[in-house]
Amino acid sequence: EPEVTQTPSHQVTQMGQEVILRCVPISNHLYFYWYRQILGQKVEFLVSFYNNEISEKSEIFDDQFSVERPDGSNFTLKIRSTKLEDSAMYFCASRRLVNVNEQFFGPGTRLTVL
Amino acid sequence: DQQVKQNSPSLSVQEGRISILNCDYTNSMFDYFLWYKKYPAEGPTFLISISSIKDKNEDGRFTVFLNKSAKHLSLHIVPSQPGDSAVYFCAAKSTGTASKLTFGTGTRLQVTL
Repeated sequence: EPEVTQTPSHQVTQMGQEVILRCVPISNHLYFYWYRQILGQKVEFLVSFYNNEISEKSEIFDDQFSVERPDGSNFTLKIRSTKLEDSAMYFCASRRLVNVNEQFFGPGTRLTVL
Repeated sequence: DQQVKQNSPSLSVQEGRISILNCDYTNSMFDYFLWYKKYPAEGPTFLISISSIKDKNEDGRFTVFLNKSAKHLSLHIVPSQPGDSAVYFCAAKSTGTASKLTFGTGTRLQVTL
């Protein structure tokens, strides 16, 4: 069964450094998402992406964040200058069609900012 | 901003019995609801969903009930199995959005032998 994959599984970085989290969505899916879950808190929406552009973003997704689909398979989340409070699990998700609401999540990347 | 609430942080049920997980919401614009199951160190796994135009959806051992007037939904698992032990998240989608999901805080289900 096709699944969403994410790399790396764990990323440790120093405060102020740039990180890029990578995702490979399910191949025939058209909508892509990033969510995050800070330890002990709920899963929060960050951004949605369709047709090579951001379709919606939350207030968390400020100028330090960007997303890109550099080729036909990868979907990346970049954090330009990481802060301690960016430490969280970051989940990528994808969805097939406009009239299909189910999103399928990857295993997550644990980001630790020191 | 708790638009989706799961008021029970944990639930313990004996194997073979029914597990009932509850979820309440406040936003009338939600038109689709989903349940996800999550094991530690894994991503949420889609379980079952329901449109706001329905009041019940069933898939094997899993049934979701929606009471729109009460803004309440529940997930029933019958019979419960030890492998069902996980954290269960309720999520909701608003009309007119790019399908961003708003999640509840989760309920940890433990199925005991």
